[in-house]
Amino acid sequence: DAGVIQSPRHEVTEMGQEVTLRCKPISGHNSLFWYRQTMMRGLELLIYFNNNVPIDDSGMPEDRFSAKMPNASFSTLKIQPSEPRDSAVYFCASSLMDRRALGYGYTFGSGTRLTVV
Amino acid sequence: DAKTTQPPSMDCAEGRAANLPCNHSTISGNEYVYWYRQIHSQGPQYIIHGLKNNETNEMASLIITEDRKSSTLILPHATLRDTAVYYCIVNLGGGFKTIFGAGTRLFVKA
Repeated sequence: DAGVIQSPRHEVTEMGQEVTLRCKPISGHNSLFWYRQTMMRGLELLIYFNNNVPIDDSGMPEDRFSAKMPNASFSTLKIQPSEPRDSAVYFCASSLMDRRALGYGYTFGSGTRLTVV
Repeated sequence: DAKTTQPPSMDCAEGRAANLPCNHSTISGNEYVYWYRQIHSQGPQYIIHGLKNNETNEMASLIITEDRKSSTLILPHATLRDTAVYYCIVNLGGGFKTIFGAGTRLFVKA
């Protein structure tokens, strides 16, 4: 398995531009999570999906941020318009939600380093 | 807020066991204890998890106290490549919200 795949690995954009980050979860996983990491705030959970349905988006900082999961193999995180304070590493993770509660861990992607200038 | 407490940093000599403590006094009966680590600039990596019993895998051992209010991650023979931030987390398992705290920064020294 190729693991969780994120693209692009690096993104540099100008303030005000739209940015779209992409994630392909591990095949068979039914939960997907978007995190943002900065030195100041650490790892922050932005939003997560179960079976392609958004469950909790309380971590999304502003209306400028939106996330979609149109199918089980793809998710996007969009920032429109982007601002310099959005500069961070954005991680996607996937897991398996099992009603037997066997406790599966997360698998993280390599992240997208976003720089907004 | 994270439901765990960890020391901010620890040192360990290469080749020695690294014992990383975690307090989770408010853990509920059906919550698991998970450990992840993050090596600089990489995504966090799952290490191990447990519910009540001690667990061991090829990476580490997890010791959970009988009252489940604390646990210890043991890296039996630490190497320089084990230098990382280690996160202790409690949650209901895959598919449930996971909040990461600040973790413990482990420095393995030659």
